[in-house]
Amino acid sequence: DVKVTQSSRYLVKRTGEKVFLECVQDMDHENMFWYRQDPGLGLRLIYFSYDVKMKEKGDIPEGYSVSREKKERFSLILESASTNQTSMYLCASSLSTKNYGYTFGSGTRLTVV
Amino acid sequence: AQSVTQLDSQVPVFEEAPVELRCNYSSSVSVYLFWYVQYPNQGLQLLLKYLSGSTLVKGINGFEAEFNKSQTSFHLRKPSVHISDTAEYFCAVHNYGQNFVFGPGTRLSVLP
Repeated sequence: DVKVTQSSRYLVKRTGEKVFLECVQDMDHENMFWYRQDPGLGLRLIYFSYDVKMKEKGDIPEGYSVSREKKERFSLILESASTNQTSMYLCASSLSTKNYGYTFGSGTRLTVV
Repeated sequence: AQSVTQLDSQVPVFEEAPVELRCNYSSSVSVYLFWYVQYPNQGLQLLLKYLSGSTLVKGINGFEAEFNKSQTSFHLRKPSVHISDTAEYFCAVHNYGQNFVFGPGTRLSVLP
């Protein structure tokens, strides 16, 4: 089974802190994605990556950056956390064709106070 | 741009009753279609997918979905639901080479 592991299930950070959300997949998938999920807004794509050192902006990249130094790891960075970034963050990965679907991690519920 | 509509934001249903969760998409080209389920405080799990072939697709946990190209729909059905089916369900679409587009989700509540 493909596993996508997000390092933290719950995280509480203070406003202005730099926050790292880590995601690791173990099935050699080329594509990786970061979403945030908020009630009534569904899933919104923040950033994605189709290859190592490659990154593309999604629909809501403002306030975020990403890093993909190794194929299996895709990190989401909040440079200066703000309260409006309190959300559930979901990482996903897929093969390059995407035909088999995305595999999601369990999510990180981030609270910024 | 591609879009996915899930008309029902919430669907309450009694245990052992049948249920249908609706999904419509906008696309003039061939698409691949997916249904995901999200249990509370978890990530999304793939229920089933349609890539080609038979328009009736069977998935895990007794769910099935039917692809209707003329109506651009991919409705999810289960003949008899259980309490454990209480979750949020997402329909997703993608065209070849593009990222997935997810619907807003339908919250299914199964009542005893």
